[in-house]
Amino acid sequence: EPEVTQTPSHQVTQMGQEVILRCVPISNHLYFYWYRQILGQKVEFLVSFYNNEISEKSEIFDDQFSVERPDGSNFTLKIRSTKLEDSAMYFCASSARGRGAPDTQYFGPGTRLTVL
Amino acid sequence: AQSVTQLDSQVPVFEEAPVELRCNYSSSVSVYLFWYVQYPNQGLQLLLKYLSGSTLVKGINGFEAEFNKSQTSFHLRKPSVHISDTAEYFCAVSEAAYSGGGADGLTFGKGTHLIIQP
Repeated sequence: EPEVTQTPSHQVTQMGQEVILRCVPISNHLYFYWYRQILGQKVEFLVSFYNNEISEKSEIFDDQFSVERPDGSNFTLKIRSTKLEDSAMYFCASSARGRGAPDTQYFGPGTRLTVL
Repeated sequence: AQSVTQLDSQVPVFEEAPVELRCNYSSSVSVYLFWYVQYPNQGLQLLLKYLSGSTLVKGINGFEAEFNKSQTSFHLRKPSVHISDTAEYFCAVSEAAYSGGGADGLTFGKGTHLIIQP
């Protein structure tokens, strides 16, 4: 069964450093998402992406964050200058359809980001 | 904007007993409703979803949920649980948009940890 994969599984970085979290969505999916879960808190939506542009973003997704689909398979989340409060589990998800034709979002296993 | 409330952070249940995990939502528009399960050290897996039609929805692993619009609830139930059902369960909603491109994110509840006791 096709699945969403994410690398690395765990990333440790120093405050102020840039990090790139990588995701490979399911191959025939067109809609991509990032979520995060701070330890002990709820899963929070960050951003959705379709047709090479951001579709929707939450208040969390400020100028420190960016997303990109650099090639036909990868979908990345970049945090330009990490802060302690960016420490969280980051989940990537993908779906075949979007707004108007709702579909299941399939989630990857997550990347645990630890900012020291 | 939508919000989701999962009233119980933790639910202990004996094996083979029935269980209900509660979920209430708030929204000014129609919504789609989802239950996801997260097993230890894994991603989120869809259990079931309500988009339209019958309010009783059946999912994987013997779970079902009932959409109650008047109560704004979408409680998850299973008649007989197993040790393997030990996991974190998340209720989520998204806006039921009927037109337009793009994609909406899901709004999640805080999760309910289901603990199965032998």
